[in-house]
Amino acid sequence: AQSVAQPEDQVNVAEGNPLTVKCTYSVSGNPYLFWYVQYPNRGLQFLLKYITGDNLVKGSYGFEAEFNKSQTSFHLKKPSALVSDSALYFCAVRDKRASKIIFGSGTRLSIRP
Amino acid sequence: GAVVSQHPSRVICKSGTSVKIECRSLDFQATTMFWYRQFPKQSLMLMATSNEGSKATYEQGVEKDKFLINHASLTLSTLTVTSAHPEDSSFYICSARRTPNSEQYFGPGTRLTVT
Repeated sequence: AQSVAQPEDQVNVAEGNPLTVKCTYSVSGNPYLFWYVQYPNRGLQFLLKYITGDNLVKGSYGFEAEFNKSQTSFHLKKPSALVSDSALYFCAVRDKRASKIIFGSGTRLSIRP
Repeated sequence: GAVVSQHPSRVICKSGTSVKIECRSLDFQATTMFWYRQFPKQSLMLMATSNEGSKATYEQGVEKDKFLINHASLTLSTLTVTSAHPEDSSFYICSARRTPNSEQYFGPGTRLTVT
């Protein structure tokens, strides 16, 4: 069965500092991996995805994520955080054979001025 | 781009009544639509997957007679919460995709409050 874990409920970072939001996954075969962001009372906004190719994936709003097959991780990163990045972030995985996306528990990112 | 809308964005209903939530793909035809439920400060839990013209596939633990899903056209799916109870209060999010290998787009969500 496919699953995804976000070990941190909350991440706090000062504005201008780099940020990392962690994600590990478990899936049979090669995964499709995604990051989404959710602002209060809003739906999900797509940030980036990994399907194949370069392990470093660049996405929206300056975010990037690194696929690490040996560690089964797909951590989200940004070199310099903005206060406006404060939101709820979800990692998600989809097995190529499965028809559905499974979400992690979410990590609340808080950027202080 | 691909846009998915939901209506209503917020709804309040009384316990025991039924409420319908619509999910529309505005600029593409969606062969598959998904319904998720999100409790406060929690993740999205997949409720069911619906393919146009066929019965929805429900996830384990989701009551199909309580959460009726209809996907009658390639641009519209509806979720009807029947005999609603306060514990059904939640944020319901739909998503849609064109084909099995295409991107999955999410709607803005519907907040249901059952009093």
